Amino acid sequence: SQKIEQNSEALNIQEGKTATLTCNYTNYSPAYLQWYRQDPGRGPVFLLLIRENEKEKRKERLKVTFDTTLKQSLFHITASQPADSATYLCALGGNSGGGADGLTFGKGTHLIIQP
Amino acid sequence: EAGVAQSPRYKIIEKRQSVAFWCNPISGHATLYWYQQILGQGPKLLIQFQNNGVVDDSQLPKDRFSAERLKGVDSTLKIQPAKLEDSAVYLCASSQVTGGSGTQYFGPGTRLLVL
Repeated sequence: SQKIEQNSEALNIQEGKTATLTCNYTNYSPAYLQWYRQDPGRGPVFLLLIRENEKEKRKERLKVTFDTTLKQSLFHITASQPADSATYLCALGGNSGGGADGLTFGKGTHLIIQP
Repeated sequence: EAGVAQSPRYKIIEKRQSVAFWCNPISGHATLYWYQQILGQGPKLLIQFQNNGVVDDSQLPKDRFSAERLKGVDSTLKIQPAKLEDSAVYLCASSQVTGGSGTQYFGPGTRLLVL
């Protein structure tokens, strides 16, 4: 069955450093991968999408890489700030056919940026 | 632009009772999704609609869960009868396009507790 693994424990990073989150998957050939941010009591918020034929995407302080051979995505936040503290979700989608594009999510990584 | 609206925000029921959740997607978004998020887990897709038609309901427990989107706008998700394991946050999301190129916008969710 499809499986997505993210850092299961909280990740503590000092303010100003780069935070790197990992998403590994098995038994899946996604057409694209998305990263979402989720704060307590709120719904996920879209951050970045990267397609299977792309290696890297950037948006401001965020960078995502996608290696379909390793079946892995890395999510980087540079110059991290306490406001970046949240749970970050990796989600895979596509290749289901028939227009079905509901996402398969990992459990998420809880990121804590310490001042 | 207004976001995805959901109601109620919280609901407490006893097992074997029925419950219904309502979702109003972003105006103009043809695709609507319902996800279930159990505490400590990522969201799990229950059903996807394209306008008023079902695209994917493969993970919907159809013996107790039902959903409809009669006029292609608002949607209702119902559980009848509820079980203890249905305690979760039910998230509604909408997207402007189908096929993977669209961002999914999530509502705040309805937090259900089954006693």
